[in-house]
Amino acid sequence: EAGVTQSPTHLIKTRGQQATLRCSPISGHTSVYWYQQALGLGLQFLLWYDEGEERNRGNFPPRFSGRQFPNYSSELNVNALELEDSALYLCASSLAMLRGTHTEAFFGQGTRLTVV
Amino acid sequence: SQQGEEDPQALSIQEGENATMNCSYKTSINNLQWYRQNSGRGLVHLILIRSNEREKHSGRLRVTLDTSKKSSSLLITASRAADTASYFCATDAKETSGSRLTFGEGTQLTVNP
Repeated sequence: EAGVTQSPTHLIKTRGQQATLRCSPISGHTSVYWYQQALGLGLQFLLWYDEGEERNRGNFPPRFSGRQFPNYSSELNVNALELEDSALYLCASSLAMLRGTHTEAFFGQGTRLTVV
Repeated sequence: SQQGEEDPQALSIQEGENATMNCSYKTSINNLQWYRQNSGRGLVHLILIRSNEREKHSGRLRVTLDTSKKSSSLLITASRAADTASYFCATDAKETSGSRLTFGEGTQLTVNP
């Protein structure tokens, strides 16, 4: 069974440009999470999608946005890139929530975004 | 405010020793999860403990949860060099800002051969 796949693995952009990151969840998983991990730091929650809807977002500016498609894959878009957006962007998927709780999340290997 | 905070930030031990990492959180939770991350890669789920559970085992891993103290610990027994990684706790918290899985800053474990 294929795990969570993210593309591209590396992305280099210049300041002011836009970046699009993609994530394919494990088959059967309806929830997709996006996290930002700056070098050597913890994971900062960005977005959570479930059944095609944005369920929650973290404390990030509106230039961070995304969507979930009918096949549950997801896209993260970052507009007007800034140098401090350089980070590892991790996507995770999980089964639908069980009695209102988040279950085990399966992570992809991440997209390393570098803004120069 | 940081929901999950691990301590210590870094831990260095010899192979064969036990490693204990702690996680504290601030709000009520549905469950708490521990993950492992090898350098710069994706996270791997280790164990999930529900708010009504106090202890859970999985192989060489033992997790405890004390909801009265809002804290959890992860014990790795008989550590191996391959256990070298960063370990994160994640809380499924009942937050006013909405449901989310929130991660702490992690503990970097180094197991020396």
